[in-house]
Amino acid sequence: EAGVVQSPRYKIIEKKQPVAFWCNPISGHNTLYWYLQNLGQGPELLIRYENEEAVDDSQLPKDRFSAERLKGVDSTLKIQPAELGDSAVYLCASSPEGRGEQFFGPGTRLTVL
Amino acid sequence: QQQVKQSPQSLIVQKGGISIINCAYENTAFDYFPWYQQFPGKGPALLIAIRPDVSEKKEGRFTISFNKSAKQFSLHIMDSQPGDSATYFCAARMDSSYKLIFGSGTRLLVRP
Repeated sequence: EAGVVQSPRYKIIEKKQPVAFWCNPISGHNTLYWYLQNLGQGPELLIRYENEEAVDDSQLPKDRFSAERLKGVDSTLKIQPAELGDSAVYLCASSPEGRGEQFFGPGTRLTVL
Repeated sequence: QQQVKQSPQSLIVQKGGISIINCAYENTAFDYFPWYQQFPGKGPALLIAIRPDVSEKKEGRFTISFNKSAKQFSLHIMDSQPGDSATYFCAARMDSSYKLIFGSGTRLLVRP
């Protein structure tokens, strides 16, 4: 069974530029999560989707971050404009249902110069 | 109250030794406590988890010990191997929420 797929794996951009991350969850998993992981820290939830509905986006900085999950499968997380402090690893995870085990992708490492 | 405090930040153990990582929490509404293992360049992977109705759970060389009154739980890795070298995260979740609260991580190095 294929795991959670994320792309790109690495991204280097200059500040004020836009950037987007893509996630393909495990087939059949209805719940999708985006996490932010700063260096030396544990992941922090940004947003959770149940199918195509964002049911918890309380931690998403909505002035510059946006996310979508069209058709309840793949998801895209966007930052516009990026700031230096956005440099981190962005992890996507999925679970068969909300309270089930979360399976993480390898993450996208973002560096903002 | 939402925090999970993890220690130590880093740990070096000889092959065959016991690795012990500790976590503490404040929110008594937490009712699910997983441990995740993360290798460089990979996402975290669930290692073992416990609910507060039991004091210990063992899976192979990995054991969670849970002390509900002290609001603490720990991961014990018996017969530690170089392949166990990774970063370990404890986490906690409330039954009413799907949100995992992660500790800050412990970087484990097992020397051959």
